[in-house]
Amino acid sequence: QSVLTQPPSASGTPGQRVTISCSGSSSNIGNNYVYWYQQLPGTAPKLLIYRNNQRPSGVPDRFSGSKSGTSASLAISGLRSEDEADYYCAAWDDSLSGWVFGGGTKLTVL
Amino acid sequence: EVQLVESGGGLIQPGRSLRLSCAASGFTFGDYAMHWVRQAPGKGLEWVSGISWNSGSVGYADSVKGRFTISRDNGKNSLYLQMNSLRAEDMALYYCTKDIAYGGNSDGFDHWGQGTLVTVSS
Repeated sequence: QSVLTQPPSASGTPGQRVTISCSGSSSNIGNNYVYWYQQLPGTAPKLLIYRNNQRPSGVPDRFSGSKSGTSASLAISGLRSEDEADYYCAAWDDSLSGWVFGGGTKLTVL
Repeated sequence: EVQLVESGGGLIQPGRSLRLSCAASGFTFGDYAMHWVRQAPGKGLEWVSGISWNSGSVGYADSVKGRFTISRDNGKNSLYLQMNSLRAEDMALYYCTKDIAYGGNSDGFDHWGQGTLVTVSS
């Protein structure tokens, strides 16, 4: 059971906008930044969003992050087939004194 | 270009020990915190351990506390994970990751290695 809660799956058609939610508590998301990672099949995870809504260089602006209270979300607009991957949220947890991840959301592009 | 190359994984019996290594290049290793994150087959990501730039602060997930020890050698640009009393549930792909933050508090992981597989089985 992951500390952060994500839906196990999401889907959309090319060109659509999809959102993936991440729910936590006051000890993690509520008091710290949220990060999002993309893991393409058979590859290592890649940083997608840091500090709630910042994109590393090279990440398309189709990807955006937001946070409100103890929840966060990742939005992907103009969905493409190459966006098919697993997406994980993460945050520092003050109670556990460590990093916690969501269980991951498998995004399918129909 | 930042490169993180893990090694040391393999097949190991329950209760035995294993030491993982991560060779870093392409950045000033001694300026950044480093972490180990693992992924069991078909499962999600789990943070295992982290170490500050100067080894002054270390942290562990509850699942490995007391069994695993993280360390680094800034002169050799290397990160290590000593894993003792291995259990079946420790079987996973272990990733070496670089922290985003230059010194200071941990700020997420901006580079990942390809991982080294640890298989725990008798």
